[in-house]
Amino acid sequence: GQQLNQSPQSMFIQEGEDVSMNCTSSSIFNTWLWYKQDPGEGPVLLIALYKAGELTSNGRLTAQFGITRKDSFLNISASIPSDVGIYFCAGQKNSNYQLIWGAGTKLIIKP
Amino acid sequence: GAGVSQTPSNKVTEKGKYVELRCDPISGHTALYWYRQSLGQGPEFLIYFQGTGAADDSGLPNDRFFAVRPEGSVSTLKIQRTERGDSAVYLCASSSVGGEAFFGQGTRLTVV
Repeated sequence: GQQLNQSPQSMFIQEGEDVSMNCTSSSIFNTWLWYKQDPGEGPVLLIALYKAGELTSNGRLTAQFGITRKDSFLNISASIPSDVGIYFCAGQKNSNYQLIWGAGTKLIIKP
Repeated sequence: GAGVSQTPSNKVTEKGKYVELRCDPISGHTALYWYRQSLGQGPEFLIYFQGTGAADDSGLPNDRFFAVRPEGSVSTLKIQRTERGDSAVYLCASSSVGGEAFFGQGTRLTVV
């Protein structure tokens, strides 16, 4: 099925570093969502973006909805050990409708 | 319950067998979704219910897959004649109208 292009596939960073990941699509989406998934758990919503150009923060996380509505990025500032996990972007064309997902960015923090 | 509950958490079955996966959504949520997640991939949409009816089943891979939600609450995903390629984590999510989708922990299906 269709998936978004998410990069990087994985990141090895030091604690305290900033992290940036992004998603692109050939299709326009009306909503962009960023999720985090821990092992053995379902995805948990971090940030939802509903408007082109929107920049939204949730604590140390900041995400933006691209002007073209075909891309989004997520930044994490001053990473901490509990940030480890897999981050997914997801696009939605209409409310209460299917989500199209990226393949995930695995965040690993070097000791 | 407080969250979306999926049972069983793990299911191992033999190729060719029939399996049922259950999802208990958050009380009051009218929308319910099933996704399938293969290792190293993002979830892939299977089916979406609004109330009792399947509003969109375009993601079901073939006619071996079927899902029901007879009373608009609990949903069951049914897979007939399972194949090794069906092995994946099956995720269920629910939401209120226009609201955030909350995911369950998933059922890990292994077909041997």
